[in-house]
Amino acid sequence: EAQVTQNPRYLITVTGKKLTVTCSQNMNHEYMSWYRQDPGLGLRQIYYSMNVEVTDKGDVPEGYKVSRKEKRNFPLILESPSPNQTSLYFCASSPGGADYGYTFGSGTRLTVV
Amino acid sequence: DAKTTQPNSMESNEEEPVHLPCNHSTISGTDYIHWYRQLPSQGPEYVIHGLTSNVNNRMASLAIAEDRKSSTLILHRATLRDAAVYYCILRSHYSGNTPLVFGKGTRLSVIA
Repeated sequence: EAQVTQNPRYLITVTGKKLTVTCSQNMNHEYMSWYRQDPGLGLRQIYYSMNVEVTDKGDVPEGYKVSRKEKRNFPLILESPSPNQTSLYFCASSPGGADYGYTFGSGTRLTVV
Repeated sequence: DAKTTQPNSMESNEEEPVHLPCNHSTISGTDYIHWYRQLPSQGPEYVIHGLTSNVNNRMASLAIAEDRKSSTLILHRATLRDAAVYYCILRSHYSGNTPLVFGKGTRLSVIA
């Protein structure tokens, strides 16, 4: 089944403790991205990648890092999480271009205390 | 990408058709019209997209006005599982991989 897989689904952590949220897709998509969703603010893009070793900032990149060493994986790294990064995170992938839809993962609910 | 306008909420009875409108009066000739939906506690889900002609797939139909300034997502028989927030998004052919910009969407309630 074509899908985007995120792990973990739920995570509670403490301020300053480095964490990684993994994202993997099995569709050979070139484009991958990370979004966060907050009440009243909607979905906002954090980072995106157009291909292996090519990444760029989205609208809200502060406090996050990403890497794209393989086509299928696009992990989101929080080096020093803070409470304002408590949010619902979604990974998405697409073949690229306006004539294709995106496939989203099921989400990771992160709480930073 | 050009702006879209959708009603905040709509209600439908189960097993009846639902027409979800979207206005995009500033659409350009190269903008694709995309629809996504987000069910409670899930990630957004691609529904359908089109450029000029009406489109059908297993989930829904997309009717595009002749002047392309509005479109309608049609769910032929609403089920309880269709209760979600529906987003209408324009994507420029020249936008490359700029992000999907989600507005507030239309919250669809389905009544049994």
